Amino acid sequence: AAGVIQSPRHLIKEKRETATLKCYPIPRHDTVYWYQQGPGQDPQFLISFYEKMQSDKGSIPDRFSAQQFSDYHSELNMSSLELGDSALYFCASSFGGGGTEAFFGQGTRLTVV
Amino acid sequence: GDSVTQMEGPVTLSEEAFLTINCTYTATGYPSLFWYVQYPGEGLQLLLKATKADDKGSNKGFEATYRKETTSFHLEKGSVQVSDSAVYFCAQRGSGNTGKLIFGQGTTLQVKP
Repeated sequence: AAGVIQSPRHLIKEKRETATLKCYPIPRHDTVYWYQQGPGQDPQFLISFYEKMQSDKGSIPDRFSAQQFSDYHSELNMSSLELGDSALYFCASSFGGGGTEAFFGQGTRLTVV
Repeated sequence: GDSVTQMEGPVTLSEEAFLTINCTYTATGYPSLFWYVQYPGEGLQLLLKATKADDKGSNKGFEATYRKETTSFHLEKGSVQVSDSAVYFCAQRGSGNTGKLIFGQGTTLQVKP
């Protein structure tokens, strides 16, 4: 079965650079979530989209932005990168909300040097 | 606000030992509850879920029962294997199309042969 696809899997950027992370949800899933997981930490919710509209916002810095496109894929844009942005970034997708489970991608490991 | 609290780890067990990882939640409504597992370098995989009180989720020998009266969703397994070594996250998810997952801090399980 198709899963959530994230690209790239690994990314190394320098401070103050820009990064774009991509997420391709499971076909027919209409909701996408972005999470940030620091080393040894639990995943922290950043932002979500439902039917291409932002549906919820968490602890996402103003330097970050995201959107969901007409084909339901999503991109997380990160500018003015800081060392503290180094983390695993997960995308998850679901069909609707509530009790339906969210399926996670393998994550993008971002390292800022 | 809504939150999830897990027992602190790491938990170290011998193979075939009984496992319990405690999880409690606070929520304004009646969330769905989940256990996710994360193997080293991997994404989050759904282990089991329960969507209403007294539901029991089970998968791969793991079980958890949604207890509304104690606001708990403890994870249990009768006989752990070395391959169960991973980080386990308890999570809740509210209703509606914007229901983001709220994770506990994760519990590391190490099973020794």
